[in-house]
Amino acid sequence: DVVMTQSPLSLPVTLGQPASISCRSSQSLVHSDGNTYLNWFQQRPGQSPRRLIYKVSNRDSGVPDRFSGSGSVTDFTLTISRVEAEDVGVYYCMQATHWPPGLTFGGGTKVEIK
Amino acid sequence: EVQLVESGGGLVKPGGSLRLSCAASGFPFSDAWMNWVRQAPGKGLEWVGRIKTKTDAETPAYAAPVKGRFTISRDDSKNTLYLLMNSLKTEDTAVYYCRGVTATNDYWGQGALVTVSS
Repeated sequence: DVVMTQSPLSLPVTLGQPASISCRSSQSLVHSDGNTYLNWFQQRPGQSPRRLIYKVSNRDSGVPDRFSGSGSVTDFTLTISRVEAEDVGVYYCMQATHWPPGLTFGGGTKVEIK
Repeated sequence: EVQLVESGGGLVKPGGSLRLSCAASGFPFSDAWMNWVRQAPGKGLEWVGRIKTKTDAETPAYAAPVKGRFTISRDDSKNTLYLLMNSLKTEDTAVYYCRGVTATNDYWGQGALVTVSS
């Protein structure tokens, strides 16, 4: 089964500074249809998850443009260009390419303010 | 306004059963692939299962830990998703979220807490 590994587990950041989260998959996430089904989610404290990015680099509606996704094949990155206080929470990557086993989440990265 | 409202959570003994519901509004429910995702206390997200649209006509898919015990179904006439959970184990204790995915959007409910304990 495909395994999604995120790093770091915890990311203390200074307000206004950039932050990057890495996500690596144990197998290529390129689907036979040519798409790469790698998504990023944000879960603020006490809230439900919210999708930020789909298919590697496409921002969802209403997501600030300081969030961006990049990468290919097995290595992916979520970047916050300038961290704001409202960005505190846990971020998860998720693959939807391989069926079975189905949707697979990374373990999460906790972003906090220094 | 889009809403996904889960209900039916609660305390159940090991080996027991529970049915969760997720009432949807504000988006084309019948066109959405619907999922259940759970989160154990203090832990990360874990996919439980998925049901596609009637048009796609594919049997639901389940994660290995719940396959054979959980059943996902949907009633498009009521805009409602269900999760029937049988033979519950203590490790099934979690907040259960319903998640709807359309071609352009991704929606999550507020979650329902299921506690399996004797």
